[in-house]
Amino acid sequence: GDSVTQMEGPVTLSEEAFLTINCTYTATGYPSLFWYVQYPGEGLQLLLKATKADDKGSNKGFEATYRKETTSFHLEKGSVQVSDSAVYFCALRARSNDYKLSFGAGTTVTVRA
Amino acid sequence: DTGVSQDPRHKITKRGQNVTFRCDPISEHNRLYWYRQTLGQGPEFLTYFQNEAQLEKSRLLSDRFSAERPKGSFSTLEIQRTEQGDSAMYLCASSDSRDSNQPQHFGDGTRLSIL
Repeated sequence: GDSVTQMEGPVTLSEEAFLTINCTYTATGYPSLFWYVQYPGEGLQLLLKATKADDKGSNKGFEATYRKETTSFHLEKGSVQVSDSAVYFCALRARSNDYKLSFGAGTTVTVRA
Repeated sequence: DTGVSQDPRHKITKRGQNVTFRCDPISEHNRLYWYRQTLGQGPEFLTYFQNEAQLEKSRLLSDRFSAERPKGSFSTLEIQRTEQGDSAMYLCASSDSRDSNQPQHFGDGTRLSIL
């Protein structure tokens, strides 16, 4: 079935450091890919998305590129801030089951001043 | 855009009791989804509605769980005879199926704790 594997955390960084969170997926066909972020005590917020191969999603300094050849959608940010501390979830939506999202386990990121 | 609203935010109850949660989606969204998130895990799909029709249910949704969306607007999720394993965050999301590229928008969730 469809599944997402994320880099395990937790990840602790200093402010202005470079962040990468790895995400790979297994799905039939070409799914849509998403990164969601969850701040403490809150629900999930969409961070960025890509709907086809080679698409790059970007938002708030974060980027991820849909790589069909490596079935990956790694999240990157060049210079993190304390306010980026959160849990990040990679997710896919298969074209055959367009009603549901399949999530990875999440990666907790803590940025220290 | 008022966002997806869930009520209550927190629910503490004793094992064996029934609980009901409510979700109000974004008003123009015709799809509504329920997910469950346990500690340290990503959300898992439970069920979804298109308008008032419940079109899919996960195997995670045991017969103690029931969801309704009677008028195609708000939805309720009821858990009967709660068990310790039901402790989790229950998330609701909504989307507009007429835009295939539109993502799901999530509420802040209801955290259920079973004593």
